[in-house]
Amino acid sequence: QQQVKQSPQSLIVQKGGIPIINCAYENTAFDYFPWYQQFPGKGPALLIAIRPDVSEKKEGRFTISFNKSAKQFSLHIMDSQPGDSATYFCAATLVVRLYFGRGTQLTVWP
Amino acid sequence: DVKVTQSSRYLVKRTGEKVFLECVQDMDHENMFWYRQDPGLGLRLIYFSYDVKMKEKGDIPEGYSVSREKKERFSLILESASTNQTSMYLCASRLDRVTNEQYFGPGTRLTVT
Repeated sequence: QQQVKQSPQSLIVQKGGIPIINCAYENTAFDYFPWYQQFPGKGPALLIAIRPDVSEKKEGRFTISFNKSAKQFSLHIMDSQPGDSATYFCAATLVVRLYFGRGTQLTVWP
Repeated sequence: DVKVTQSSRYLVKRTGEKVFLECVQDMDHENMFWYRQDPGLGLRLIYFSYDVKMKEKGDIPEGYSVSREKKERFSLILESASTNQTSMYLCASRLDRVTNEQYFGPGTRLTVT
């Protein structure tokens, strides 16, 4: 079964908007929650990550919000730009393995 | 910078052929992974390797095998390719079991006709 559930599947925003991508998990043993960004023709690359003892992490225009009790986390992109158009994957780590969500295709219109 | 390279960007094979996908990393990473990426399904783990000559099944190992004879190289083998193995294949590596970040190669788009 899907260990990490991600929504929405696709998202379209205007430049400057704040797209939000949501993920949920069930396994409380997960201990690291990264987000990966993938551009067409490229492999995914780590964007930002958070540990479950932290409620929020910001890196530039990207913020992860983490709600441990609800077992949910989300990615917010402030002042989104056309160059942010990509597929975003949330993930959760347990020991060696990464469990990925199904991905969100983000399009930012100029 | 970590570099993960995959032997082919695009590959077309016929049903029943034996297919080898090669992955090489240049940073002395212990762990290596093979994923399959399909639209709407995300990345699914096929096999991974903790170290040389060690391998573990992921979520969808059926129809695949792997080989890791050298630390830097991890091969994915399709013993008898089938059309339902048409997909994007991604290789990744990670320093060790303690480090979380995985570094991905650019992927191989395999079409089986």
